[in-house]
Amino acid sequence: QSALTQPASVSGSPGQSITISCTGTSSDVGSYNLVSWYQQHPGKAPKVMIYEVSKRPSGVSNRFSGSKSGNTASLTISGLQAEDEADYYCCSYAGTNIVIFGGGTKLTVL
Amino acid sequence: QVQLVQSGAEVKKPGASVKVSCKASGYTFTSYTMHWVRQAPGQSLEWMGWIRPDSGNTQFSQNFHGRVTVTRDTSASTAYMELSSLRSEDTAVYYCARYSGNYRDAFDIWGQGTMVTVSS
Repeated sequence: QSALTQPASVSGSPGQSITISCTGTSSDVGSYNLVSWYQQHPGKAPKVMIYEVSKRPSGVSNRFSGSKSGNTASLTISGLQAEDEADYYCCSYAGTNIVIFGGGTKLTVL
Repeated sequence: QVQLVQSGAEVKKPGASVKVSCKASGYTFTSYTMHWVRQAPGQSLEWMGWIRPDSGNTQFSQNFHGRVTVTRDTSASTAYMELSSLRSEDTAVYYCARYSGNYRDAFDIWGQGTMVTVSS
């Protein structure tokens, strides 16, 4: 199973919006509404930001939103803040009790 | 509070095995599947496998070719991940993570990570 495809890096200025894509196949992202997104700051464990494509855990800012179209899921962060600078990973259920992660995207807040 | 606490860093020689523990607290250990995920330095997250603590059933990524074993001790609310035939490419931070706890099909609680270094 190959990793889901994410851009290596994205950047934006404070207050702007950015979108990170996560492209899989019809066997994973395209087949299940079970995509989650994780934020990871350096030296820290990942933190779930979005689950089931577009649901936000309690305590996560409503500046974070998720969506999916076909084999591609997306994470949008609006009103960028300095604290959003981190690595972001998508994850999808891929059938037969297997999950697969994306390659990760480094977000830089300019 | 709900947390997963992992064992400390390890340094191993190529060909050896390593066993990492993950102790759960603040919730019923047997109620949620526990997964293991690793992250090589500067690299992305890689899913390794899971264990159902209630039954002991396991499933692993084919990428590890039978080198990974996960067990549990329900009396101690602890899961263990053992990786054998270590090579330099196994140098990574290893995480345990609870699956489908508060949020369906997502990892909601993570351990702090255990650094495993494989070096001769």
